[in-house]
Amino acid sequence: AQKVTQAQTEISVVEKEDVTLDCVYETRDTTYYLFWYKQPPSGELVFLIRRNSFDEQNEISGRYSWNFQKSTSSFNFTITASQVVDSAVYFCALASGTYKYIFGTGTRLKVLA
Amino acid sequence: SQTIHQWPATLVQPVGSPLSLECTVEGTSNPNLYWYRQAAGRGLQLLFYSVGIGQISSEVPQNLSASRPQDRQFILSSKKLLLSDSGFYLCAWTRLADTDTQYFGPGTRLTVL
Repeated sequence: AQKVTQAQTEISVVEKEDVTLDCVYETRDTTYYLFWYKQPPSGELVFLIRRNSFDEQNEISGRYSWNFQKSTSSFNFTITASQVVDSAVYFCALASGTYKYIFGTGTRLKVLA
Repeated sequence: SQTIHQWPATLVQPVGSPLSLECTVEGTSNPNLYWYRQAAGRGLQLLFYSVGIGQISSEVPQNLSASRPQDRQFILSSKKLLLSDSGFYLCAWTRLADTDTQYFGPGTRLTVL
């Protein structure tokens, strides 16, 4: 069975702190894709990154970075020097060969000024 | 570039009333289309997806239905709303590839009283 687990329900940090959001996935497929989305208070899900199972290179985009480790089935997301605008719910998702995407339950990040 | 629209943005309906939510995509052809529901403070629940005109797959049996009368139009309906239908409804699209990135619309916030 396919599954995405985001064990952290809510995280609070003070502005400028670094924060890591965890994502652990389960799949028997060898080809799959992992995603991160951001849901700000407005509600719309904003796409952040897509990573395929054959590419374990870490990625950095500004203050955002992603650590993909197949050995631990994890795809963690780190925000460096967090800002209040980073406050949102973050979803991790898995897709592998079907039209269904498996979403985690989300992690609510609160960045306090 | 591609754009996805949803309307209305917010809706308050009495129990037992009908429902029609609309989603349209611009700038692409033959997209895969999805309806999700997000209950307050919860994750995403896939309701329906469509790979073409008139082709609808239902993920959760309930009093909701979906239709795709045109290539880039996806409609979510109900004949009689229940209190449990309250939530945030999100439409998403992908290109033809089944593991492509999903892009989400702005959502419709439905309150059933």
